[in-house]
Amino acid sequence: AQSVAQPEDQVNVAEGNPLTVKCTYSVSGNPYLFWYVQYPNRGLQFLLKYITGDNLVKGSYGFEAEFNKSQTSFHLKKPSALVSDSALYFCAVRDSLSSASKIIFGSGTRLSIRP
Amino acid sequence: ETGVTQTPRHLVMGMTNKKSLKCEQHLGHNAMYWYKQSAKKPLELMFVYNFKEQTENNSVPSRFSPECPNSSHLFLHLHTLQPEDSALYLCASSPRGGNTEAFFGQGTRLTVV
Repeated sequence: AQSVAQPEDQVNVAEGNPLTVKCTYSVSGNPYLFWYVQYPNRGLQFLLKYITGDNLVKGSYGFEAEFNKSQTSFHLKKPSALVSDSALYFCAVRDSLSSASKIIFGSGTRLSIRP
Repeated sequence: ETGVTQTPRHLVMGMTNKKSLKCEQHLGHNAMYWYKQSAKKPLELMFVYNFKEQTENNSVPSRFSPECPNSSHLFLHLHTLQPEDSALYLCASSPRGGNTEAFFGQGTRLTVV
């Protein structure tokens, strides 16, 4: 069975500082990993994904994520945080061995950027 | 805009009412999903449809009844709901391949009174 864990309910960062939002996963086969962002009363917006290839993936709004197979992690990062980055962030995984198109999400991490 | 449209955006219903949520996509995707998002709980996968066939029912109570008449439309029929069913219901779609992301609608905010 596939699963995703986001160990931090909330991350607080000062504007201009680097940010990291943590994610670990568990799958039977190879993982397809995704990050999404959600603003209040809105649906989820896709940020970036890892399928194969380079472990560092770049996405929208200056975000990037690093795939680490040995640590089964896919942490989201940004070198310099903006107040507008404040939102709810979800990590998600699909198992390459799963015959269904199931995407499982983590519990979400609320990112708060203070001016 | 993601190309996935959900209606209505907000819905208030009594426990004895019957209502339906609608989701529509014209992205050519053949997988569609219903998720439930409650306050302080993880995003819960409810149902998955592939090529109009239900491939996942995540132990959802029978008061929630999905319908997928074609690959572009997905419904969630609601009847005799409970107040704890109040949540944001999100629809998503994706191509069936595993390495593709899902596209989400804006959600329907459901309140059961």
